[in-house]
Amino acid sequence: KQEVTQIPAALSVPEGENLVLNCSFTDSAIYNLQWFRQDPGKGLTSLLLIQSSQREQTSGRLNASLDKSSGRSTLYIAASQPGDSATYLCAVRRVTSGSRLTFGEGTQLTVNP
Amino acid sequence: DAMVIQNPRYQVTQFGKPVTLSCSQTLNHNVMYWYQQKSSQAPKLLFHYYDKDFNNEADTPDNFQSRRPNTSFCFLDIRSPGLGDAAMYLCATSRITDTQYFGPGTRLTVL
Repeated sequence: KQEVTQIPAALSVPEGENLVLNCSFTDSAIYNLQWFRQDPGKGLTSLLLIQSSQREQTSGRLNASLDKSSGRSTLYIAASQPGDSATYLCAVRRVTSGSRLTFGEGTQLTVNP
Repeated sequence: DAMVIQNPRYQVTQFGKPVTLSCSQTLNHNVMYWYQQKSSQAPKLLFHYYDKDFNNEADTPDNFQSRRPNTSFCFLDIRSPGLGDAAMYLCATSRITDTQYFGPGTRLTVL
C-alpha cells in the first residue's frame, strides 16, 4: 500500500524567503507525482507534474524535484509572497493503481508580509 | 475558459433527502473522478470512470452512486445523506495517467 507523507504539516515564513516543502512515498513504482495548491474552501490547482523518468520540473518560481529511488520529492518556492499562502499537496500515481492518485495530508504554508 | 465546472458550488440538504451534484468538463478527458474532502484532510477518492467503465473504491459507502451519461458530464448521487457526509466534493478529470485537473468543488451541508 502506498503511503505519502508531507513534512512539515504547517510552515510560517516571512515574505521573500526561499522555502522547501517535502513529500515522501513508500512505493517507488510510480508513473508520476503531482504537486497541487489548495486555497481555503476551493478546489485543487495543479502546479507541476513530474514523470518518474524526470528529475525535476520548473514553473516560474516553483521547482519540483523527484528522487524515485529514495521515495522523495521536494517543492522549492523561490522568493515567497503572501499570495503563496495555501495548502500544498503532493500526490503520487502508482504503476499498479492506474490513473488513481494517492495524496499526502498537505503542508499549510503561511507567508507573512 | 473554465475547464472543470461543478454545480452547485454550495448545496444544503436535509438528513436523508437525496441530493445530486454535477460536474462537467471542456477538456475531453476520458477519466473523471469524484473525491470527498473533509476539513484539513486529504481528498479521498470515491470512484472514477475510465470512459464508461465505472471503478468504485472498496471503502466507498453504497449510499454514494455515480452516473456518466457522456464524456462531458458526471454526476454524484447521495441517496440518503447523513451528517457524516457533510464535506467538500471535488470532481477531477485527466487523460489516463496525465495531469489531474480539479473543479472548484461543491460544499455540501446536511441539516
